Amino acid sequence: DGGITQSPKYLFRKEGQNVTLSCEQNLNHDAMYWYRQDPGQGLRLIYYSQIVNDFQKGDIAEGYSVSREKKESFPLTVTSAQKNPTAFYLCASSAQQGAGANVLTFGAGSRLTVL
Amino acid sequence: KQEVTQIPAALSVPEGENLVLNCSFTDSAIYNLQWFRQDPGKGLTSLLLIQSSQREQTSGRLNASLDKSSGRSTLYIAASQPGDSATYLCAVEGPNTGNQFYFGTGTSLTVIP
Repeated sequence: DGGITQSPKYLFRKEGQNVTLSCEQNLNHDAMYWYRQDPGQGLRLIYYSQIVNDFQKGDIAEGYSVSREKKESFPLTVTSAQKNPTAFYLCASSAQQGAGANVLTFGAGSRLTVL
Repeated sequence: KQEVTQIPAALSVPEGENLVLNCSFTDSAIYNLQWFRQDPGKGLTSLLLIQSSQREQTSGRLNASLDKSSGRSTLYIAASQPGDSATYLCAVEGPNTGNQFYFGTGTSLTVIP
């Protein structure tokens, strides 16, 4: 079955450490996204990518980095510069941005806790 | 910047009741509006997508409508069941926001048996 796989599901990090969250999709989607979800704040866009080797900052990109070396993969690194990284992180993909019937598909999420 | 609002933030209804969830957005230049369901600690599941040229979409007991000119959408759930308990979010995608999706904060629905 096609879908999006995020790993790990739970991750604990000490202050000052970088961590990388994995996102892999087998939907052959061009666009991929990373969102952060905090209680009561909805989803906020961190980064998105429309094609391989290209990505754009979302509304809250500071303290995060991404790469898009393969169409299927869009890993997110939470760096030590992110001041409040404890959150639920969601990866998503869609066939084509700007298209009318552009269904957004999500992974199961990764919960990051900073100790 | 597109702003998406969902009211109410929480809703509790007895089983079998019909209910309506609301979503409003500030920029009417959109490509589409989607409704999602999220169970606690899980990812989002797409329920319905309405393209900007459409007025409504139906899937089973769910019906979503779109009034683009007024910046509003509603999700109607018929004959609610305890299994419908979840958080429902709406999101819009449009050309004036870099083709990004903007989400509301969601409505937490509890259906009481």
